[in-house]
Amino acid sequence: DVKVTQSSRYLVKRTGEKVFLECVQDMDHENMFWYRQDPGLGLRLIYFSYDVKMKEKGDIPEGYSVSREKKERFSLILESASTNQTSMYLCASSPHTSGAAGEQFFGPGTRLTVL
Amino acid sequence: GDSVTQMEGPVTLSEEAFLTINCTYTATGYPSLFWYVQYPGEGLQLLLKATKADDKGSNKGFEATYRKETTSFHLEKGSVQVSDSAVYFCALSLNTGNQFYFGTGTSLTVIP
Repeated sequence: DVKVTQSSRYLVKRTGEKVFLECVQDMDHENMFWYRQDPGLGLRLIYFSYDVKMKEKGDIPEGYSVSREKKERFSLILESASTNQTSMYLCASSPHTSGAAGEQFFGPGTRLTVL
Repeated sequence: GDSVTQMEGPVTLSEEAFLTINCTYTATGYPSLFWYVQYPGEGLQLLLKATKADDKGSNKGFEATYRKETTSFHLEKGSVQVSDSAVYFCALSLNTGNQFYFGTGTSLTVIP
């Protein structure tokens, strides 16, 4: 079974702290994604990556950065956490496909609270 | 641009009732369409998918048919159970780029 794991289920940080959210997948997928999920807004894409060391901005990249040094690991970084970044963060991965789009596999999510 | 619109929730049904959750899409190309389900405290998992017009995806008693003429992919189940209580997301992906577009989610609660 495909497994996507996230480093923490719950995280509490203070305003201004640097925050790292880690995601690891074990199926050798090329594509990895970071979303945030907020009530009434659904999932919004923050960043994605098609390959090692490659990254693309999603719909809401402001205040975030990412790192993909190894194929299996995709990190989301909040350089200086703010209260409006309190949210559920979901990581996903998918194989690169040509033609019909491949399924995205999700981790369990990290609920981040910024005080 | 490419997007998905799904019906607002929350939806509350009695056990064994019929379920429909509407989903319509806008896409510049020929998308694949998906329904994902999120149970409380968990991440999203794929429920069903359809990759071309007139395809029907099905799983666990849920069905959805890819209707190109109405740009829709409505989710249906004939008899819901308490265990179906979850948030349901409609999504599309274009065949280029592998990027997904999700709807805002519809919360379903099934009461005994």
